[in-house]
Amino acid sequence: GIQVEQSPPDLILQEGANSTLRCNFSDSVNNLQWFHQNPWGQLINLFYIPSGTKQNGRLSATTVATERYSLLYISSSQTTDSGVYFCAVALGGSQGNLIFGKGTKLSVKP
Amino acid sequence: DGGITQSPKYLFRKEGQNVTLSCEQNLNHDAMYWYRQDPGQGLRLIYYSQIVNDFQKGDIAEGYSVSREKKESFPLTVTSAQKNPTAFYLCASSIERGGLKLAKNIQYFGAGTRLSVL
Repeated sequence: GIQVEQSPPDLILQEGANSTLRCNFSDSVNNLQWFHQNPWGQLINLFYIPSGTKQNGRLSATTVATERYSLLYISSSQTTDSGVYFCAVALGGSQGNLIFGKGTKLSVKP
Repeated sequence: DGGITQSPKYLFRKEGQNVTLSCEQNLNHDAMYWYRQDPGQGLRLIYYSQIVNDFQKGDIAEGYSVSREKKESFPLTVTSAQKNPTAFYLCASSIERGGLKLAKNIQYFGAGTRLSVL
């Protein structure tokens, strides 16, 4: 089945710093989502981005589908950005179930 | 407010006991999902349902059962056959699961249920 690899597994930042999280996937996909899981476990959908670039405030994401990777950029990080960031992909159609990576755990220090 | 409600937030299971986790959504979504998350891991799919009275096994369905009698509700039963049930369980929904309307498989999650064994 499709493999999803996220890097780095852990990241510690000082407040105000910028960061880039990466998601590599092993097959062509037509669904890619980035999620943030807060320290209490709630998952929030950040981006639906099977290709192209999107921005939402301090967060932006880019997916290069032909090269099978996606990047999540966090600028001017805040302590509330802490948590785990997951990338999830799906092949679509009858194989439309999301496959999750293991996540990047981000800790932003004040 | 529209959303997904999971209950209880914490649940304890005794040896040999079946327990049921509740998931209710008022988003009018057709598709619903159950995931299991173990510490330091991503989410793994247990069961999903695309429509009322129909559901399919995911990657780790053994020891679990579900029902979908109403569009709004997708309860998960952790049976005594599940020998390692301690985990964080997440329910999600989307307008559709897949197919041609790709954007309609954006999934929205409940707050989760933490299940432990006594």
